[in-house]
Amino acid sequence: EDKVVQSPLSLVVHEGDTVTLNCSYEVTNFRSLLWYKQEKKAPTFLFMLTSSGIEKKSGRLSSILDKKELFSILNITATQTGDSAIYLCAVVDAGGTSYGKLTFGQGTILTVHP
Amino acid sequence: GAGVSQSPRYKVAKRGQDVALRCDPISGHVSLFWYQQALGQGPEFLTYFQNEAQLDKSGLPSDRFFAERPEGSVSTLKIQRTQQEDSAVYLCASSLVEGYEQYFGPGTRLTVT
Repeated sequence: EDKVVQSPLSLVVHEGDTVTLNCSYEVTNFRSLLWYKQEKKAPTFLFMLTSSGIEKKSGRLSSILDKKELFSILNITATQTGDSAIYLCAVVDAGGTSYGKLTFGQGTILTVHP
Repeated sequence: GAGVSQSPRYKVAKRGQDVALRCDPISGHVSLFWYQQALGQGPEFLTYFQNEAQLDKSGLPSDRFFAERPEGSVSTLKIQRTQQEDSAVYLCASSLVEGYEQYFGPGTRLTVT
């Protein structure tokens, strides 16, 4: 059974701090790893990672995947109060089914204080 | 273009009542997923449709849960004889084709009293 573990479960920082969120996984046939941001509504897509060592970047957010050690990190630099949200990590198993079912971690609750 | 929409956004049901939750995916999206998110947890897979075909229902927790997508667009998740443990946010997601990133709706928060 696929498994995703995120750490820390919660994090409180001040504006301007840099944070690193962790995601480790166990999956039979890895296809991809995805990061989502969830506020009080729909999870919104951040990144999809399929290859090791290639950093994906969007503004102050960046993410990288290590397929050998089975983990990914999500970095947020110069945090703002608008970054406060739950950050979800999910994996897609290519084995058995090919349609992209997501297995999620528990999420990391990030709170950014002014 | 419009994103994924879900209705109702909030639903309160008395234990034993039947409920129906609706999902309107992004137009043209072939794949549609339902997930259940309990408080403080990540979403968990319930079922998957490719067009009108339900290809995987392995995540449905009991036979009280039923989903359909008869014309390959709008989908309905029905829960019969609701129980307190059914209280959760039910998320719908769609993707253009298999394996592409999924776009989520705002969810329906179901509270069973």
